[in-house]
Amino acid sequence: EVQLVESGGGLVQPGGSLRLSCAASGFTFRSYWLHWVRQVPGKGLVWVSRINSDGSTTNYADSVKGRFTISRDNAKNMLYLQMNSLRAEDTAVYYCARACPGDGYTPFDYWGQGTLVTVSS
Amino acid sequence: DIVMTQSPDSLAVSLGERATINCKSSQSLLYSSNNKNFLVWYQQKPGQPPKLLISWASTRESGVPDRFSGSGSGTDFTLSISSLQPEDVAVYYCQQYWNVPYTFGQGTKLEIK
Repeated sequence: EVQLVESGGGLVQPGGSLRLSCAASGFTFRSYWLHWVRQVPGKGLVWVSRINSDGSTTNYADSVKGRFTISRDNAKNMLYLQMNSLRAEDTAVYYCARACPGDGYTPFDYWGQGTLVTVSS
Repeated sequence: DIVMTQSPDSLAVSLGERATINCKSSQSLLYSSNNKNFLVWYQQKPGQPPKLLISWASTRESGVPDRFSGSGSGTDFTLSISSLQPEDVAVYYCQQYWNVPYTFGQGTKLEIK
């Protein structure tokens, strides 16, 4: 069974940092593109970042470029999102999601339950 | 960025009746080489992550009831639920995966009338 479990969320002050983790199981982790998507509670979904299967290619939404870094450890089946210079508008539930097999331009077939990040003083 | 616009924002349909949600993209999502549209529909119930319903605009995922169907091509797409069931109450999102940044529609909240 495919499982994605996020952790690392919490309350952080503006300007602070946080690292989110996503533990994957039930599939050949090193073969898939992975994504982070966020959602302000009660609002819509916003794509944040993606990383290819070996970690050599990453992309970011303009709103987080230069502040967030996506990475992965294929030996540990872990996906990460390092978030620096956090702002109030980064407050959201952060989901990790697996892309369907392919070249990176595929939909997301499995999602984690999400971890809540709150940026507030 | 490709802008995805859904209509309506909310919809109330009687049980057993048809529900229709529209999604319009600001540019074509049709890849002519393989005739595939890079458009997906997700369902999100309260407190849950999104669930993949239909990919490539019209390919229903395994396990998704056949009352769900997707249609459209290019810039205009539709998600239809042929006979609404209580468990279909949710927010539905379309998303394009044609290019980065991937973008979602604003969501359509489906309720029972």
